Amino acid sequence: DVKVTQSSRYLVKRTGEKVFLECVQDMDHENMFWYRQDPGLGLRLIYFSYDVKMKEKGDIPEGYSVSREKKERFSLILESASTNQTSMYLCASSLSGSSYNEQFFGPGTRLTVL
Amino acid sequence: AQKITQTQPGMFVQEKEAVTLDCTYDTSDQSYGLFWYKQPSSGEMIFLIYQGSYDEQNATEGRYSLNFQKARKSTNLVISASQLGDSAMYFCAMREAFSGGYNKLIFGAGTRLAVHP
Repeated sequence: DVKVTQSSRYLVKRTGEKVFLECVQDMDHENMFWYRQDPGLGLRLIYFSYDVKMKEKGDIPEGYSVSREKKERFSLILESASTNQTSMYLCASSLSGSSYNEQFFGPGTRLTVL
Repeated sequence: AQKITQTQPGMFVQEKEAVTLDCTYDTSDQSYGLFWYKQPSSGEMIFLIYQGSYDEQNATEGRYSLNFQKARKSTNLVISASQLGDSAMYFCAMREAFSGGYNKLIFGAGTRLAVHP
C-alpha cells in the first residue's frame, strides 16, 4: 500500500522557534510538494522538489525553506515561526513524466504557532 | 494566469440522491489535466478522478463522474447515489502546463459537502 507519512499530526510551537516538518514517501517518487491549507483559500504550494537536492519555489515560499537530502524525504523548515504560519501543512508526492500522474498526500500536520 | 474557481462553499444533499459540485478553470494552455480530490474530516486528501484536456469522453470512476465542458472551461463532479461517507471537502485542481514532469497542481478553494440521512 503506497504511503506518504508526516512526522506529526499536531504541533504547537512558540513564535520565533525553528520548526521542522518531515515528510517521507515509500513510492520512489521523483516529485515532492509542500502545501499549506487555509479555510477559503484551498491548498497553496510552498515549495516543491523534482529530484534530490533540487528545489523550486511555489506560490508562497516566504518564511519557509526546504531540504531534500534523500529521494524519499522532503523537509519543510520554518526558520522563525510566526503566528501567521498557523495552518494545516500537507505533503504530497508524485511520479514525473506522465501528465495524468496524481499526487499522493500525507495525513497533514496541523501547526499552531503561539 | 491559471486559476481554479469553486463557487459553492457548501452544499448539502439527501442520502441516495445525486449531487453536482461545480468547478471552472482558466488557462491559455491547450494541454492540461483536471483532478478532483476528497478530504474527509480526518484530513487526508484522496484522489477521486482525472480528466485530460484531450479526452473526448467524460471520465467516470464508480459513483464519480465528470461533466467536462471544454468550451465553457468547466469540469463539474457528479456524485451519484450519495452516501453518508461522502460528507467531506472536495477540491478541484488543475495541472499546470507540462514542464519537466513536475506536475504542479493549482487548487480551488473547495466545496464542503454534507450528506443528510
